[in-house]
Parts: sequence; C-alpha cells; structure tokens
Amino acid sequence: DTEVTQTPKHLVMGMTNKKSLKCEQHMGHRAMYWYKQKAKKPPELMFVYSYEKLSINESVPSRFSPECPNSSLLNLHLHALQPEDSALYLCASSQGPGLLDTQYFGPGTRLTVL
Amino acid sequence: GENVEQHPSTLSVQEGDSAVIKCTYSDSASNYFPWYKQELGKRPQLIIDIRSNVGEKKDQRIAVTLNKTAKHFSLHITETQPEDSAVYFCAAMNFGNEKLTFGTGTRLTIIP
Repeated sequence: DTEVTQTPKHLVMGMTNKKSLKCEQHMGHRAMYWYKQKAKKPPELMFVYSYEKLSINESVPSRFSPECPNSSLLNLHLHALQPEDSALYLCASSQGPGLLDTQYFGPGTRLTVL
Repeated sequence: GENVEQHPSTLSVQEGDSAVIKCTYSDSASNYFPWYKQELGKRPQLIIDIRSNVGEKKDQRIAVTLNKTAKHFSLHITETQPEDSAVYFCAAMNFGNEKLTFGTGTRLTIIP
C-alpha cells in the first residue's frame, strides 16, 4: 500500500489564526517531507524529517513549524501566515536516506490565507 | 546544488502519436531520476523512475532514457491517450541527501 493521507483537504484561515496540517503514512517509511506547491509550479521542498529528526530545513519562515511525533505522523503548524502562503501543501514519504528513495505524495491540503 | 531544466513547457500531441519530454541536470552526483504525473488538483504520482546504473527503462507505453555523460534524461510516451493529459515533472536526486529537485513541468495535452 503506497498511501499517504493528509488532513484537512481544504483550509481557509485568517492571518491571525493558528492551524495545523496533518500527514500520516503506514508504509514503515522513515523519511517524511513537506512541500509547498503554487499554481503551475513544481513542488518546493520545505522540510525533511529522517528517522523522526529534522534533517533539512529549506530556510522556511518561522511561521511554519514542523513536528514529527512519531515515524508515521508529520504535522505542520501554521501561525500568522500571509496571503502569499496560499498554496497546495504536499506531504511525502520514502523508505529513508540511501534506501530506494522513491517519494510517495499525499493528496495535499489546499490552503487559502485571507 | 542541483538544477533541473525541463522542455518543452507545453506539448500538444494528436491521440495515438508519441510524446517526448526532456530534462537536463547539473549535478553529476545525482543518481536517481523519477518522473511524476500530476492531474489538475491532484497529487504528483510516480509513473516511472530510473537509476544511474541503467540506461533505459520501459513500462508498457512509458519509457525513460538516461544519458549520464550528457546529464540528460527523457520521458517517452507512445500511443498517447486522452487520459495522458496532465502536467509531467522530472526530478533528480542523489541517494542519501534526501533532496529531490524538480524540473519546471510540462503540460501535455492529448488532442482527440
């Protein structure tokens, strides 16, 4: 089963709100990723967790805060976002660094910041 | 860091004809090259991938070729069908550094 799930599917929030995006995989993968995708653009890497530790942080603003509670779950906490943060947020997972690193994507959360 | 260029940005093909999308990469250490298909409003889905110890890989109507010397790889879709219409992204990665770098995408339209 190559299933990565994400909730919610859609999220509308104001610039003063705090919200969280959730991602889950049950494939035993040890690496999980957050990507941001704007319309008509490729996904842009935001964060990588490898064995539940943050291994890559692509200079993302601090209003985005990732969390990996365990090897199956990945959260993205959002606070004081800007309208330009509106995008599709994709989660992905893979077996782990150096191991057949095919990344499988979740369906995404479409975020709108008002 | 890695840089991946992808061409063309849009491609229209008559149903039944073949489509070819080309990518070049900059980092000679890259050794894994997946292709993703993304339909409107949906997730990127892996359709085929190739590793640097292989020159060509085929899966039914889809094939990928890799030229390590020239640092380019291509996606070939034969006998195209309307359901092949989507945006296709190539990507490159060095196993172990965990960062997948995407090309800019090709919007493929199959004309019935």
